[in-house]
Amino acid sequence: QLQLQESGPGLVKPSETLSLTCTLSGASITNTTFYWGWIRQPPGKGLEWIGSIYYTEKTYYNTSLKSRLTLSRDTSKNQFSLTLRSVTASDTAVYYCASVRGSFRRIDNWGQGTLVTVSS
Amino acid sequence: SYVLTQPPSVSVAPGQTARITCGGNNIGSKTVHWYQQRPGQAPVLVVYDDVDRPSGIPDRFSGFNSANTATLTITRVEAGDEADYYCQVWDTSSEHVVFGTGTQVTVL
Repeated sequence: QLQLQESGPGLVKPSETLSLTCTLSGASITNTTFYWGWIRQPPGKGLEWIGSIYYTEKTYYNTSLKSRLTLSRDTSKNQFSLTLRSVTASDTAVYYCASVRGSFRRIDNWGQGTLVTVSS
Repeated sequence: SYVLTQPPSVSVAPGQTARITCGGNNIGSKTVHWYQQRPGQAPVLVVYDDVDRPSGIPDRFSGFNSANTATLTITRVEAGDEADYYCQVWDTSSEHVVFGTGTQVTVL
C-alpha cells in the first residue's frame, strides 16, 4: 500500500528557504502511474495546490508560487522534495505531499501533513 | 485562472440527505473529484471522475456533474460525516490542480 511521509523543519525564519521532503513506501518514485504533488493548507483555511513532478522530472507549478518554487526528486532515496524561497508569514501552513493519478489528476493518497510556521 | 465556488457551510440532520455544490464555468466539461477532511486529518478522496467511489467509501456518497455545477450528495447522513468537503478539477489550459473553496458539513 502506497504511503507518503513528509519531513522537514517546523519553523522557518522570514526571507529564508523552506525545504521539505516526502518519502515514499509501497511504490517507486519512477512509477509511471503517478505524479507526485504538494498541497498546503494555511491554518483555518482551504487547500492550495503547490505543484507536482512526474517521473520524467517534468514539473507543474502553481503560477502564484512559481518564481520561488522548485520541485525535485531523488530516485536513489525514493523521495521527492519541495524548496520554497523567500518565505513570509503567509507561507505558514500544513504542507501535504501526495500521489496524483491520471489525466484528471485525482489525489489518491496523502501524507499526514506537516505544519511549517514562518516566524522570527 | 479557473475558480470553483462552494457554499461555506451546509447543515443536515442525521439520516437526512446533504447536497454540496461546486460551481465553475462549464464545469460539466471537466472531471471533478471530491475530498472529505475531518478535523486535524489529511483529506480523503471520496468521489473521483465525477461519479466513482474509491474502495472503502460507502455508497451513501455519490457525485454528479453537469453544466455549471457539480454536486456531492451524502444520503443517510451520520455523525461521522461531519467534515470539510472540497471539490477539485484539473484545469488543462493552465495545467493547474484547482480546489474548491470548501464546505463545512455540520450534522445537527
